[in-house]
Amino acid sequence: EAQVTQNPRYLITVTGKKLTVTCSQNMNHEYMSWYRQDPGLGLRQIYYSMNVEVTDKGDVPEGYKVSRKEKRNFPLILESPSPNQTSLYFCASRSWGGRTGANTGELFFGEGSRLTVL
Amino acid sequence: TQLLEQSPQFLSIQEGENLTVYCNSSSVFSSLQWYRQEPGEGPVLLVTVVTGGEVKKLKRLTFQFGDARKDSSLHITAAQPGDTGLYLCAGARAGGTSYGKLTFGQGTILTVHP
Repeated sequence: EAQVTQNPRYLITVTGKKLTVTCSQNMNHEYMSWYRQDPGLGLRQIYYSMNVEVTDKGDVPEGYKVSRKEKRNFPLILESPSPNQTSLYFCASRSWGGRTGANTGELFFGEGSRLTVL
Repeated sequence: TQLLEQSPQFLSIQEGENLTVYCNSSSVFSSLQWYRQEPGEGPVLLVTVVTGGEVKKLKRLTFQFGDARKDSSLHITAAQPGDTGLYLCAGARAGGTSYGKLTFGQGTILTVHP
């Protein structure tokens, strides 16, 4: 089954304790992206990656890191989490349609990771 | 400041009514997508519009992309309780270094009462 898998689904942690949210897709997609969802703000893009070893900042990258060492995995790292990073996080992937087909493909989302930082 | 302004944020209607959700921006988008999200799940794509003035229909849902590619609308005819959910528009910014960046609106929470 084609899917995007995130772990953990739920996490409560404390300020400053490094954590990683993993994301894996089995569709051989080039493009992967992380979003956070907060009430009244919709989804905001944190980081995205167009292919292995190619990553770029989205609209709200502060406090986050990513890496793309393999095509299927795109972990989100919070080096020193703070309470304002409490949110619902989504990983998504899609085929990369090239520059002419960029951003028109269907984004496949994971089920979300609810993070609470105390 | 939200790049994509979606309205209304909340919509509560009775089964059988029609409704329209708007997605507006001062920026031009190369494409615009509409997603629907249910509680506890990730968003699921409904449609992608690419050409200014484009209209797409998906059963009782009609999607339109503005002529200038700065706005879009979603119209639902004869809403049903199964249409209940969070509707999100998402725009891909045109050109330059924006490839890969996707901006979402704040979302519209639609509740359709039986």
